[in-house]
Amino acid sequence: DAGITQSPRHKVTETGTPVTLRCHQTENHRYMYWYRQDPGHGLRLIHYSYGVKDTDKGEVSDGYSVSRSKTEDFLLTLESATSSQTSVYFCAISDEGARGNTIYFGEGSWLTVV
Amino acid sequence: GQNIDQPTEMTATEGAIVQINCTYQTSGFNGLFWYQQHAGEAPTFLSYNVLDGLEEKGRFSSFLSRSKGYSYLLLKELQMKDSASYLCAVRGNYGQNFVFGPGTRLSVLP
Repeated sequence: DAGITQSPRHKVTETGTPVTLRCHQTENHRYMYWYRQDPGHGLRLIHYSYGVKDTDKGEVSDGYSVSRSKTEDFLLTLESATSSQTSVYFCAISDEGARGNTIYFGEGSWLTVV
Repeated sequence: GQNIDQPTEMTATEGAIVQINCTYQTSGFNGLFWYQQHAGEAPTFLSYNVLDGLEEKGRFSSFLSRSKGYSYLLLKELQMKDSASYLCAVRGNYGQNFVFGPGTRLSVLP
């Protein structure tokens, strides 16, 4: 199994509060991603990072921000949580060259916004 | 734009063979991936195709035709544990841009 740890694994929060999800990897992979997965939509990219302090938006980035201050950590922040952000969030990693032939996923973080 | 299509659901019988199709239209192509995802779990990697043809790995095989924008995952000797969603994904032109299809939920019946 790829060394990817997400925290928290489960969280219930109230509308309007900020929430931060953490992804930690031990593989020294260059690229890190945050996806959300919802019924009928599949996996959708929120933000990704291609190096320390280098990030870019995905297709569903509104209401989310990210930071990557170290190779191993990628944080996803919901600035002011809304019920539409209730979802399962997956962190993923990939690399270049021969190791770039796949993307590996963390275990997921289940977020409920009430 | 980028679009990946898969059937929503499929049902098959234990011991049988099932083929899950995937069609894609993406801006650039640098590989097609299949993932398995059991309910409540993370997707796990199954196969990777970058050239046309068939890649075989045990009971699972994956085929790619780049000219047709088409792939399929073939599962042989189905087992109950194969009941899961199967995700098709394409890596596009730049960086490590992976785009996922909606997934096909396979139910294996006894």
